[in-house]
Parts: sequence; structure tokens; C-alpha cells
Amino acid sequence: AQSVSQHNHHVILSEAASLELGCNYSYGGTVNLFWYVQYPGQHLQLLLKYFSGDPLVKGIKGFEAEFIKSKFSFNLRKPSVQWSDTAEYFCAVIEVDTGRRALTFGSGTRLQVQP
Amino acid sequence: DAGVTQSPTHLIKTRGQQVTLRCSPKSGHDTVSWYQQALGQGPQFIFQYYEEEERQRGNFPDRFSGHQFPNYSSELNVNALLLGDSALYLCASSLELAGYTDTQYFGPGTRLTVL
Repeated sequence: AQSVSQHNHHVILSEAASLELGCNYSYGGTVNLFWYVQYPGQHLQLLLKYFSGDPLVKGIKGFEAEFIKSKFSFNLRKPSVQWSDTAEYFCAVIEVDTGRRALTFGSGTRLQVQP
Repeated sequence: DAGVTQSPTHLIKTRGQQVTLRCSPKSGHDTVSWYQQALGQGPQFIFQYYEEEERQRGNFPDRFSGHQFPNYSSELNVNALLLGDSALYLCASSLELAGYTDTQYFGPGTRLTVL
């Protein structure tokens, strides 16, 4: 079965530091990739997505992610974090060529940004 | 444009009882998926409804059932509640495209506590 790994469970950064959160998946076929964010007290929101084309994807609030097919990775980056980026971040994958419609999520990374 | 809405927000039940959770999809969406999110974990796929039928199902027992109505809204029913069913239940809506499901957008969730 498909699995998604987020190796960083809890990350603490100071404001203005750079961020990179890792995401690796196991499925070897065609995938659609997503990063969702859950701010404290709010619901899951889409941060960015990759379906096809340019493997460097830009999302909201200055976030970007790079799809590296050979490494089965879709890492999330932001050059300079803000206190308001404190949230839980989830990577999710859908297998496109199997007809599956279910998102498979990683276990999440809790990001804490200190002012 | 209303997003995905869910009701109720919170629910407390005792073991053995039955519960019904409700979801209204985002305007223009025709597909509803349900996920269970245990504390500290990523969401787990329960099932997806399209054209009023359960199309795909995750690894959940038959105690979990659902329904989709002609207006695309959906219900999740859980029978014979167990303590382990305590979780945040998320509804996601999307649009079915040619052979795949487009981006899933999540509601705020229903927090179910089983005592």
C-alpha cells in the first residue's frame, strides 16, 4: 500500500529562518502531490499542489515545493518564515494511474516559529 | 461562496451508541470523501461518494457507512461506537474530472468523543 513519510515531526525555528520540510512517498507510478496546512483552531487548507509540468510549484504565503521523481520526494520550502506560519503541515499523495481517489497523508510536521 | 461545511462541531457519545455526521460540499463540487484524523496523526481515508454511491473505501469496518443525497451533501454513520472511534472526522469535497478526482477541499471537521 502507498505510504507517505514526513521525517520531521516537530520543527522549531526563529522568525526569518529558512524552512524545508521533507516528504517522501512510496508509489512508483504517476502521482498528484499536495501540501495542506492546519493553523491552530482552523481547518485543513490547501497550500500548494503538483499535478504535472514544472516540478517547482509555488503556493500561497510564499511557500514552494519541488517534485523530484527520482527521489519520490516533494519537499516544502519557504525562504523566510514568520510567526504566523506556526501550524501543522501535511503532505498528501494520490495515485493517478490506479484510479484511486483517496488522499494518503503523512503523519504531519508541527512547525513552531518563535518571534 | 461557501466552503465545505460540517455539523455538528462537537459530539459526545457513549460506547455502543450510533452517530450521524453531516457534510455539505463546496458549491459546484459533486464528490464527497470522509477521513478520520486521530490525535497526532494524518487523516485516514474512510470512503468516497459520487453520484449517490460509495465509490471507494478505505480500511474501515462495516460499522462505518454513508450516504450521498441528490444535492451532493453527505452523511457518515458509525454504529456500535468504540472508544477508538474518538477522532476528528473530516469531510472533503471535490469535482470529478475525466477519470480522476480534482483537488479535495476540507471542512472544519466534527470532533467525536466516545466515553
